[in-house]
Amino acid sequence: SQKIEQNSEALNIQEGKTATLTCNYTNYSPAYLQWYRQDPGRGPVFLLLIRENEKEKRKERLKVTFDTTLKQSLFHITASQPADSATYLCALGMGNQFYFGTGTSLTVIP
Amino acid sequence: DARVTQTPRHKVTEMGQEVTMRCQPILGHNTVFWYRQTMMQGLELLAYFRNRAPLDDSGMPKDRFSAEMPDATLATLKIQPSEPRDSAVYFCASGLDRRQTPGYTFGSGTRLTVV
Repeated sequence: SQKIEQNSEALNIQEGKTATLTCNYTNYSPAYLQWYRQDPGRGPVFLLLIRENEKEKRKERLKVTFDTTLKQSLFHITASQPADSATYLCALGMGNQFYFGTGTSLTVIP
Repeated sequence: DARVTQTPRHKVTEMGQEVTMRCQPILGHNTVFWYRQTMMQGLELLAYFRNRAPLDDSGMPKDRFSAEMPDATLATLKIQPSEPRDSAVYFCASGLDRRQTPGYTFGSGTRLTVV
């Protein structure tokens, strides 16, 4: 069956450290992968998109990698801040449809 | 900033009643999605439209759910009759073809409670 799995437990890290979130998938062949941030009571907010032929994408303190052989994407937040605390969702894209992972709740401790 | 507007923000209804949720996509966006979010299932794709035509609604329970885009400024999701298991947050998202602009914009959702 098709699965998209993210870090199974909530992730707590100290301010200033790098947070690394994982997104693993099975039985999908995504053409691209997106990462979203969701705060309580709000809709997801788009952060980054990486295509299947790209290995890495960066935007300010964010970095995403995409390994289609391992069927995995890693999402890094460097120099993390308490304001980065939120739930982060990966979404696999095929055509114009995309399917979300379960999400990882990140807490950055001051 | 342009935004996707969903109404109502909250809805409490009795089992068996009809529920209609509305979404105003960002002007100029040609792709609209409906998602449902619950703690157990996460975000599930219910339906999506491109240029107002429904392209996929395989994620929706067909017997009670229906989705339409009567015009480019309005998308609706209807549940009739509603059941307690339909309680969830329903999100609408809009965007352009991904090759033009990456990422989609989500509304703030409609929190539905069926009692």
